[in-house]
Amino acid sequence: DAKTTQPNSMESNEEEPVHLPCNHSTISGTDYIHWYRQLPSQGPEYVIHGLTSNVNNRMASLAIAEDRKSSTLILHRATLRDAAVYYCILGGATNKLIFGTGTLLAVQP
Amino acid sequence: DTEVTQTPKHLVMGMTNKKSLKCEQHMGHRAMYWYKQKAKKPPELMFVYSYEKLSINESVPSRFSPECPNSSLLNLHLHALQPEDSALYLCASSQVGTVRGYTFGSGTRLTVV
Repeated sequence: DAKTTQPNSMESNEEEPVHLPCNHSTISGTDYIHWYRQLPSQGPEYVIHGLTSNVNNRMASLAIAEDRKSSTLILHRATLRDAAVYYCILGGATNKLIFGTGTLLAVQP
Repeated sequence: DTEVTQTPKHLVMGMTNKKSLKCEQHMGHRAMYWYKQKAKKPPELMFVYSYEKLSINESVPSRFSPECPNSSLLNLHLHALQPEDSALYLCASSQVGTVRGYTFGSGTRLTVV
């Protein structure tokens, strides 16, 4: 399985944008980039995924580098409820979601 | 219904007990999973079921025995557990053949005494 590298922790202020980076230099051509997050005392939840183009949904945006070796999850206006561990995961046509260590995001009021 | 429901939410069991964790979903997902999560660590995949058949066992000790009686239910039978098996056990479901759009339950917090 291709590996991802994320910072252990990041801090943000409420109502400011947050850019969460992920490096995946060994990504294969068929790997999608997925982001999940885990709020305190809850199971993980799906955030967004993409292959080559930037993607937007109601929760976040995903910016993918042209060479696909890195990506950035963008929360446009962080709220206190966005404090969570964010996981960047690579995967294709498989049923094997493997979590890395993720980034713990703290949001300050 | 867009939820995965896990019961019980908390469980305390002795090392000689037999107990079961239950997971239910009604989203029509044909892939279901068990994960184990220790404190401050990421979830670790234990088992994958596709179309009610066990497709992946991540070298889990035999004291954990999964069962998928139908497409909506997933059980995890526990027997002769050790204190180090204390953890949050998460169930998830998804469409077959993808790692996107998994839906996770809130987990069962298991304590082995």
